Amino acid sequence: SQKIEQNSEALNIQEGKTATLTCNYTNYSPAYLQWYRQDPGRGPVFLLLIRENEKEKRKERLKVTFDTTLKQSLFHITASQPADSATYLCALLTDSNYQLIWGAGTKLIIKP
Amino acid sequence: ETGVTQTPRHLVMGMTNKKSLKCEQHLGHNAMYWYKQSAKKPLELMFVYSLEERVENNSVPSRFSPECPNSSHLFLHLHTLQPEDSALYLCASSQGASAEDNEQFFGPGTRLTVL
Repeated sequence: SQKIEQNSEALNIQEGKTATLTCNYTNYSPAYLQWYRQDPGRGPVFLLLIRENEKEKRKERLKVTFDTTLKQSLFHITASQPADSATYLCALLTDSNYQLIWGAGTKLIIKP
Repeated sequence: ETGVTQTPRHLVMGMTNKKSLKCEQHLGHNAMYWYKQSAKKPLELMFVYSLEERVENNSVPSRFSPECPNSSHLFLHLHTLQPEDSALYLCASSQGASAEDNEQFFGPGTRLTVL
């Protein structure tokens, strides 16, 4: 069956370190992969999109990689800050289906 | 008002009630979505509208009825809901519904509790 997996346990990182979140998928051939941030009581906010032919994408302190062989995307936050604490969601989009397919998200906690 | 707005932010209703959720987007987008979000579970797509026409209905029970009168407004009409329908209901919009235009902008959600 088709599945997207993100770490269900919260990730605790010391301020200033790099946080790395994982998104694994099976039985998909995504054309695009998106990352969103969601704060408690609010809707998700789009962060980055990476296409299947791109290995890496950067935006300020954020970096996303996309390995279609491993069927995995990694989301990195460098020089992490307590304000980066939130739940991070990955979502896939295939060419044949314009619906985003979502992971359940990983809660990131940055400790001062 | 900018972005995507939703009203009400919180709603408590009995199983026999009829209520409606409202969403409005001020971004000039052509596609709008309803999602259900339950704790620790992925977002579940309920309905997609593109240029005011419903393009997707993911086998949602008929007690949920969407309405899209124009490209800026989306409603979700609720009737005879069940307690398991309690969740956060999120509205989103995107430039289009195709792959290239699918960066989605979300509203703050309506926290629904069914008693």
